[in-house]
Amino acid sequence: ETGVTQTPRHLVMGMTNKKSLKCEQHLGHNAMYWYKQSAKKPLELMFVYNFKEQTENNSVPSRFSPECPNSSHLFLHLHTLQPEDSALYLCASTEGLEQFFGPGTRLTVL
Amino acid sequence: ILNVEQSPQSLHVQEGDSTNFTCSFPSSNFYALHWYRWETAKSPEALFVMTLNGDEKKKGRISATLNTKEGYSYLYIKGSQPEDSATYLCAPGDAGNMLTFGGGTRLMVKP
Repeated sequence: ETGVTQTPRHLVMGMTNKKSLKCEQHLGHNAMYWYKQSAKKPLELMFVYNFKEQTENNSVPSRFSPECPNSSHLFLHLHTLQPEDSALYLCASTEGLEQFFGPGTRLTVL
Repeated sequence: ILNVEQSPQSLHVQEGDSTNFTCSFPSSNFYALHWYRWETAKSPEALFVMTLNGDEKKKGRISATLNTKEGYSYLYIKGSQPEDSATYLCAPGDAGNMLTFGGGTRLMVKP
C-alpha cells in the first residue's frame, strides 16, 4: 500500500453523465497529480497541484475539471466525456522526488 | 515533450534467469530518473530515484544504473522469481518533478 487511495476503482458512464473521481492521501504531501493511461500508451500527466494551487495543465480538454479543496484530497470532475476518454486514471502525491501512486480508477465511457 | 524509450516491450524468462531492461531519454532538462514496478490492478511502486551520472542503486535482487550524459538507465534483476512478474516503468523528471513515462517493459517469469 502506498497510502494513496482512489475511489471508485471502476466507473462506467454515459457521454451525458457527470461523475467525479476522488483521490485521498494522508501522507502529509503537498503536491498531487492526475495521470491518464489510455490503452497501449504510456502514463500521461494531466494536472498538477502544489499547495492546493494548480501549477500544471497538460493541455487537457475542459470536459475534465480538477479540484483540490485541501492538500489531502484531489478530485477529477468528468462531464460530457467521449468514448476515447476511456482509460485508467491514476492519482499520485509527493513531498520530494518520489511520487506515490494510487491504484487508479478504470473508466469506461459508453 | 520528451521521447522516452524502453526496451524490450516484453520479456519472458525462466525462474532463476537474470535479466535487464533499458530506458533511454533525452538528457536535456533532466533532473532525476525514476523506476517503478507495476503489478496489474495495483499501484505503481517506486523502486529507485537517481539523479547523478554514474549513480547505481540496489534493492535486494534489483539494481539500476544511470548515465545522464548519454541518456540511458539500465534495470537489472538477478535470479528472477515469479513474483517479479510486472511491468517496469522508467520516467525521467525535470527540476519541477514533472515525469515523462516510457511505455514500460512487461516481464513474465515462468516457474
